[in-house]
Amino acid sequence: GENVEQHPSTLSVQEGDSAVIKCTYSDSASNYFPWYKQELGKRPQLIIDIRSNVGEKKDQRIAVTLNKTAKHFSLHITETQPEDSAVYFCCYSSASKIIFGSGTRLSIRP
Amino acid sequence: GAGVSQSPSNKVTEKGKDVELRCDPISGHTALYWYRQSLGQGLEFLIYFQGNSAPDKSGLPSDRFSAERTGGSVSTLTIQRTQQEDSAVYLCASSLTGKGEKLFFGSGTQLSVL
Repeated sequence: GENVEQHPSTLSVQEGDSAVIKCTYSDSASNYFPWYKQELGKRPQLIIDIRSNVGEKKDQRIAVTLNKTAKHFSLHITETQPEDSAVYFCCYSSASKIIFGSGTRLSIRP
Repeated sequence: GAGVSQSPSNKVTEKGKDVELRCDPISGHTALYWYRQSLGQGLEFLIYFQGNSAPDKSGLPSDRFSAERTGGSVSTLTIQRTQQEDSAVYLCASSLTGKGEKLFFGSGTQLSVL
């Protein structure tokens, strides 16, 4: 069935340290893996995405890696800042619809 | 319009009443999605419309939930005989083609069933 497992559910890191969020999906036909950030009281916003024909993509302090064989993908945030505090959702496409993970609440300690 | 518009922003209703939630996607976007987000939880997929194709209704939680999209634009999500567990934020999103691209979300409708 359609499912994506996301870990951890909560993550607290010291400002300036790195944060890693990991996801595992079930649909082997998936080829599109976006990540959304939702700040408190706001709508989700796309921060980065990756397609199955690449293994890694980077945009400034954010990077995503994809292992299609293992059906794993991860989000890496380096040099974390207070504005990185939010809930992060990994997603994958299944028959064109986008399925969301359960989310990771990231807190940045000053 | 400039973005995805949802109305109403807040809806309080009594248990057993029917409600209609509206979504006006970005002009020209052929794909439209409805999600439900309970407090502090993830986004639960409800239904997906793509152009003139039959909608993917696989996420609707019960037959009390239905949705339609008229003229390939505005969509209405209807919940009949509302229950307290229906209380949540209902989010609508649209994308240009629905083939692996950015979703643009509306600000949601906060539904409270008393």
